[in-house]
Amino acid sequence: NAGVMQNPRHLVRRRGQEARLRCSPMKGHSHVYWYRQLPEEGLKFMVYLQKENIIDESGMPKERFSAEFPKEGPSILRIQQVVRGDSAAYFCASSPFGQGTDTQYFGPGTRLTVL
Amino acid sequence: QKEVEQDPGPLSVPEGAIVSLNCTYSNSAFQYFMWYRQYSRKGPELLMYTYSSGNKEDGRFTAQVDKSSKYISLFIRDSQPSDSATYLCATYGGSQGNLIFGKGTKLSVKP
Repeated sequence: NAGVMQNPRHLVRRRGQEARLRCSPMKGHSHVYWYRQLPEEGLKFMVYLQKENIIDESGMPKERFSAEFPKEGPSILRIQQVVRGDSAAYFCASSPFGQGTDTQYFGPGTRLTVL
Repeated sequence: QKEVEQDPGPLSVPEGAIVSLNCTYSNSAFQYFMWYRQYSRKGPELLMYTYSSGNKEDGRFTAQVDKSSKYISLFIRDSQPSDSATYLCATYGGSQGNLIFGKGTKLSVKP
């Protein structure tokens, strides 16, 4: 039973480029959460999605960041015009029911480096 | 005041020692508390999940919640080098289930 999968594991972008991070939830899970871990910082919630719906994006920066979870395929976190401050580890987690107390299972993360 | 505070350490102990990791939280409405373990360059994995006050034991690990003082603890008995990792405390921030994490405590268990 495969766990949460994220790709790429490492991503290098130059300032101004776009970054696309992908997350495939565990089988049977239709709820996805994205978190960001900055150096020397804890994990910070960014966005919560169900299939085809953004449920809570209160942690997303207002500009340049967007997320989607289409009916088919992985969830995508998109960062446009990346800046050095976007360098971080981005983790997604999935849960089966989306209830407020569900266990969230984390993927291995994508480490984004902006040159 | 941050919602969940955790001493980042680092904490270094000899093998076999009892380890105590702690967090405090600010919102008395928080009910569920978790401890995640994160090995270097890996994703967090759930270690312990507790509800309200009290203790929960799982093998060498004991999670403790004291709601009166808004204090949560994780104890590791007979610590092993394989326990070397960063330990993150967390709670649910809202009805949608987004997690609020402490900064994590980096633990090193020396053989």
